[in-house]
Amino acid sequence: AQTVTQSQPEMSVQEAETVTLSCTYDTSESDYYLFWYKQPPSRQMILVIRQEAYKQQNATENRFSVNFQKAAKSFSLKISDSQLGDAAMYFCAYRRTSSGGGADGLTFGKGTHLIIQP
Amino acid sequence: DVKVTQSSRYLVKRTGEKVFLECVQDMDHENMFWYRQDPGLGLRLIYFSYDVKMKEKGDIPEGYSVSREKKERFSLILESASTNQTSMYLCASRAGGLAEYEQYFGPGTRLTVT
Repeated sequence: AQTVTQSQPEMSVQEAETVTLSCTYDTSESDYYLFWYKQPPSRQMILVIRQEAYKQQNATENRFSVNFQKAAKSFSLKISDSQLGDAAMYFCAYRRTSSGGGADGLTFGKGTHLIIQP
Repeated sequence: DVKVTQSSRYLVKRTGEKVFLECVQDMDHENMFWYRQDPGLGLRLIYFSYDVKMKEKGDIPEGYSVSREKKERFSLILESASTNQTSMYLCASRAGGLAEYEQYFGPGTRLTVT
């Protein structure tokens, strides 16, 4: 079974600074997706960024980028120029892409609570 | 615009009651999911469905069942609610095909069982 580990229950960063959230995972699959989701106080889960395992290039979405280390099974999220609106719970998630009958749900980490200090 | 709706934001039920949590998506997605979210545990998959009347168990199906009679609707059923089922429940949907990556989430239902 796949597992996703987020070792930082809470992180705090000054507004406009850069913060990195850590995520490691365990899988025997060779092809899969990795995701970072954001959950603000409104509780609505929002997809921040995704990475396909077969791609060597790290994904980037505006101020959000990832450092994907496939051999190390590491998938960290970097938020540059932090803004107050970035304050939220951040979840790392995994989904395999291999066929196996039926749809596969996401396996989530326990989350990191990100605090932005003004 | 993509939309997943859940019937209630907050729900309070008594121990032993039968509870229905409803989820509707308007994107004609084949796949639908129910997750449970607890502090310090993240989200855990309860059940998913990849077609009408089809369902598969997720990681924590005990105490739950599901129903999918129409493509757009996926119901989570607590046959006899217990206090340890007090939690946040999130529904999600995704288009068919393993290459489709994004799951769209509903706003969640916070269920309290007393």
